[in-house]
This record gives sequence, structure tokens and C-alpha cells, in this order.
Amino acid sequence: EAGVTQSPTHLIKTRGQQATLRCSPISGHTSVYWYQQALGLGLQFLLWYDEGEERNRGNFPPRFSGRQFPNYSSELNVNALELEDSALYLCASSSRGQGATEAFFGQGTRLTVV
Amino acid sequence: AQSVTQPDIHITVSEGASLELRCNYSYGATPYLFWYVQSPGQGLQLLLKYFSGDTLVQGIKGFEAEFKRSQSSFNLRKPSVHWSDAAEYFCAVGIGNDMRFGAGTRLTVKP
Repeated sequence: EAGVTQSPTHLIKTRGQQATLRCSPISGHTSVYWYQQALGLGLQFLLWYDEGEERNRGNFPPRFSGRQFPNYSSELNVNALELEDSALYLCASSSRGQGATEAFFGQGTRLTVV
Repeated sequence: AQSVTQPDIHITVSEGASLELRCNYSYGATPYLFWYVQSPGQGLQLLLKYFSGDTLVQGIKGFEAEFKRSQSSFNLRKPSVHWSDAAEYFCAVGIGNDMRFGAGTRLTVKP
């Protein structure tokens, strides 16, 4: 069984540009979560999608957005990139509400803003 | 306020020594409890989880954790650490549809 896959592995963007990160959940999982892991700041919850809808959002500005497609894959978009957006972005999936079951994580996308 | 606390930011142990990583939570009810491990530049891998039942939980790679309701704790233990255990460890708690992660504990293993 394939795990959670994220693409690209690495992404380098210039300040002010837009970045798009992609995530494919484990087959059968309907929930996708996005986390930001900046150096020294632990895991910060960004977004939760389930059944195509945004269910919860962390304390991030609106330029962080995303969507979930009918096949449950997801995109995270970051507009007007700032230097401090440089981080490892992790995607996780679960079969239902994350608090009630374990989440499976992808390997992450390393975003570098220069 | 609901929170997950990992009091130790960084721990160093010698190879072969025992290990205990602390995790405390603050929630109104008993949450689901998880420990994840993250190797450098990698995603998170589930070590073990507690949903209900026996409060001593066995996980992968020789890890175990004990849920203590009276102390609101879910500490991770390993009797003998291997050099390959060097990584970052995250405690997480789940309530309903929400999951919160601790700030993580970085483990260094000395030869």
C-alpha cells in the first residue's frame, strides 16, 4: 500500500512569488492535514480538509490556502511568499477525524524562499 | 487552555542507556495519545498510540509508553537506546477531530 506522497520534495521560490505543494493521501483516507515545520518551531497546524471541504484552520494568514480534490488529494498554496515561509511542509492523512485515529505523514516538501 | 507539553527540548543519552521522554497534556477529557518520531529531513512515523485499555503501550523499535491519568502524562521509554534512535520525538494528543502536537524533544545518542 502506497503511503502519503508529497511533491515536490524541494521547492525554491523568490520572495513575492506563489508556491503550490501537493499531497496524495493513503488510499481510502478522506482527511488531509497540512503542517508547517519551521526551524526550531515544532509542528504548526495549517489546514484540515475532509470530504472536499476545509474543516479547520490554524493561526496563519489568508495567503495560506488550499483545496481538496474529489480524489481526496490536496494542494497547499502560499501566495506572496515571505522569507519566513521557508520551512518543511508536512502533509498527513487519516481515515476520519485526526484526533480519533492515527495520522500518516508524508516525507514533506522543503520550501526555501530567497 | 488545551495544551501538550514536552518539557525537554533536547536530551542526550549514551548508547545502551535507558531513555524516558516526558509528555504532559491539559485537556478536559482523556484524549487519544500518540508518539511520533522524525528522522532528519523526514516525515513523522508513528511509534505507538493509546486509545483505551491497558495503560502500558508497546510500540515499534522497542519503545513503550505509559499513560498516567492522575498525572496527565504519557511518557515514552526505551530500556536501551541505540545510535539509530537519534531523532526528534513528538507527543500528540487527539480530541474529537483535533490533534495537537508538542514542541518535540531532540534526542542525541552518544557513542
